Amino acid sequence: SQTIHQWPATLVQPVGSPLSLECTVEGTSNPNLYWYRQAAGRGLQLLFYSVGIGQISSEVPQNLSASRPQDRQFILSSKKLLLSDSGFYLCAWMRIPSTDTQYFGPGTRLTVL
Amino acid sequence: GDSVTQMEGPVTLSEEACLTINCTYTATGYPSLFWYVQYPGEGLQLLLKATKADDKGSNKGFEATYRKETTSFHLEKGSVQVSDSAVYFCALSDRNSGGSNYKLTFGKGTLLTVNP
Repeated sequence: SQTIHQWPATLVQPVGSPLSLECTVEGTSNPNLYWYRQAAGRGLQLLFYSVGIGQISSEVPQNLSASRPQDRQFILSSKKLLLSDSGFYLCAWMRIPSTDTQYFGPGTRLTVL
Repeated sequence: GDSVTQMEGPVTLSEEACLTINCTYTATGYPSLFWYVQYPGEGLQLLLKATKADDKGSNKGFEATYRKETTSFHLEKGSVQVSDSAVYFCALSDRNSGGSNYKLTFGKGTLLTVNP
């Protein structure tokens, strides 16, 4: 079976500090990978997606970047965090050839102070 | 572009009451439709899905029918439990959104609280 991991589970960072969130998927090969952000009281915003190693597409221009150094690893980064980066960050994967269903990880709660 | 509109919450019900959360969509292609559930502090879990018109998705007593004529996918449950308290998201995945990406478009979510 497939599992998706995210870490850390919670993170408190000062404004201006760097960020690295990691997502890994087990039990599948060459998945599509996605990063979403869920701000307090709001829906989900797609930030980045990747259809393969080194292939990143950005949905929203902002203070964040993403990388996919390995087939089942997806990293969300920032050089300098802003207060507005606070939120709940969710990673998701989709099997390829596609079943068009995305499966989500447990999320990372980021608070920027 | 694609969009999903779901009823504004919060919704508060007593245990064993009937639940309906409305969801309508706009899509240019032939979308698959989903309901996801998010329990407090957790990620999203797939609740049910339907891939073509008139399909009915069902799971854990929840049901939703893909209605192409009304572009709707309303979530229903005949008797809710306290453990159903969560945020429910309607979403669509458009196969024609381009390439192999299959991006999901979400509604804003509906908070359901079930009281004993």
